[in-house]
Amino acid sequence: EAGVAQSPRYKIIEKRQSVAFWCNPISGHATLYWYQQILGQGPKLLIQFQNNGVVDDSQLPKDRFSAERLKGVDSTLKIQPAKLEDSAVYLCASSLGLGGGSTDTQYFGPGTRLTVL
Amino acid sequence: GDSVTQMEGPVTLSEEAFLTINCTYTATGYPSLFWYVQYPGEGLQLLLKATKADDKGSNKGFEATYRKETTSFHLEKGSVQVSDSAVYFCALKDADYKLSFGAGTTVTVRA
Repeated sequence: EAGVAQSPRYKIIEKRQSVAFWCNPISGHATLYWYQQILGQGPKLLIQFQNNGVVDDSQLPKDRFSAERLKGVDSTLKIQPAKLEDSAVYLCASSLGLGGGSTDTQYFGPGTRLTVL
Repeated sequence: GDSVTQMEGPVTLSEEAFLTINCTYTATGYPSLFWYVQYPGEGLQLLLKATKADDKGSNKGFEATYRKETTSFHLEKGSVQVSDSAVYFCALKDADYKLSFGAGTTVTVRA
């Protein structure tokens, strides 16, 4: 079974530029998550989708970050404009979405490492 | 809010040594507890989990027991291998089913 795919794996941009990350979840997984992992810290949830609807985006800096999941499959996370403090690894995860219960295991992609100069 | 605190690293061990990584949590309810592992260049993988007090999760020789009285979920392995070198994350899933992670502990095992 194919895992969660993410691209690109690495991205370097100048501050104030824009950037987009792409995620393809495991086939059949209804729930998709985007996390931000700053160096030396654990992942922090940015946004959670159930199919193509947003379940939780309380930690998403909406003045510069946006995300969409058209057709309930692939997802794109965008940053515009980027700041130095956005340098991090952006992780995508997916789960079956069994009501979001304790047994609903999240599977993570390899992440995209963003460096903002 | 709910949170997880885990032992700071890095931890360096010799092969066949005993590994313990401490993890304690703060939660208002009864969270599920997890250990995730991140091998170099790879994504996070679920290592083991426990969903209620006194449950023991185990996988690949690793074990952790959900201790409600001490609010802990320490990870242990009796004899580590070089291939266990990775970053280990303790995490909890709260009543809203959101995952909260600790800062991670880097483990390096020397041959």
